[in-house]
Amino acid sequence: NAGVTQTPKFRILKIGQSMTLQCTQDMNHNYMYWYRQDPGMGLKLIYYSVGAGITDKGEVPNGYNVSRSTTEDFPLRLELAAPSQTSVYFCASSRGGASEKLFFGSGTQLSVL
Amino acid sequence: KNEVEQSPQNLTAQEGEFITINCSYSVGISALHWLQQHPGGGIVSLFMLSSGKKKHGRLIATINIQEKHSSLHITASHPRDSAVYICAVRGGADGLTFGKGTHLIIQP
Repeated sequence: NAGVTQTPKFRILKIGQSMTLQCTQDMNHNYMYWYRQDPGMGLKLIYYSVGAGITDKGEVPNGYNVSRSTTEDFPLRLELAAPSQTSVYFCASSRGGASEKLFFGSGTQLSVL
Repeated sequence: KNEVEQSPQNLTAQEGEFITINCSYSVGISALHWLQQHPGGGIVSLFMLSSGKKKHGRLIATINIQEKHSSLHITASHPRDSAVYICAVRGGADGLTFGKGTHLIIQP
């Protein structure tokens, strides 16, 4: 089992560019999450999904979009990148929601210049 | 909205010392997670608690629901325990509220 695979590991964007952060898991987990981690702050939830075809906003969804067409994949789309989106992004999954063990991807360090 | 406070923010200790990291939260919860973030950035789940105490190797996690408090203990600490330890709580919805983390350094 690879667990949660997240790509790319690093990316530099120019203001206004768009990109997609990829996340895939091979554990057949229903729940998937996207978090961002800013220096000195706790992780904040961007979007989450409770199953294929179902997504919902988290605490900081503005400037992002997600889709969940399959159980395995949960890509995060940044449209019109802004410097405020400079952060480390983590994808995570769990079998049955936030009361079950979380499995994290290795993170994506994104800089918007 | 739940507020999660961790203490201390930074902790430096000598190898072999007993380590305690604390987590307090403001609103009743259904679950509490302890996570470890390695120096390279990866995050690993250590424990998920809803009551009582759990032990895994040299790590022990406890939670007191009435006092809204949890502790993570490391016995016989080792330099490889150096990491950021993060507390996260689940309230009602499916998201978690995270603490800012405790930066632990164990010196040889």
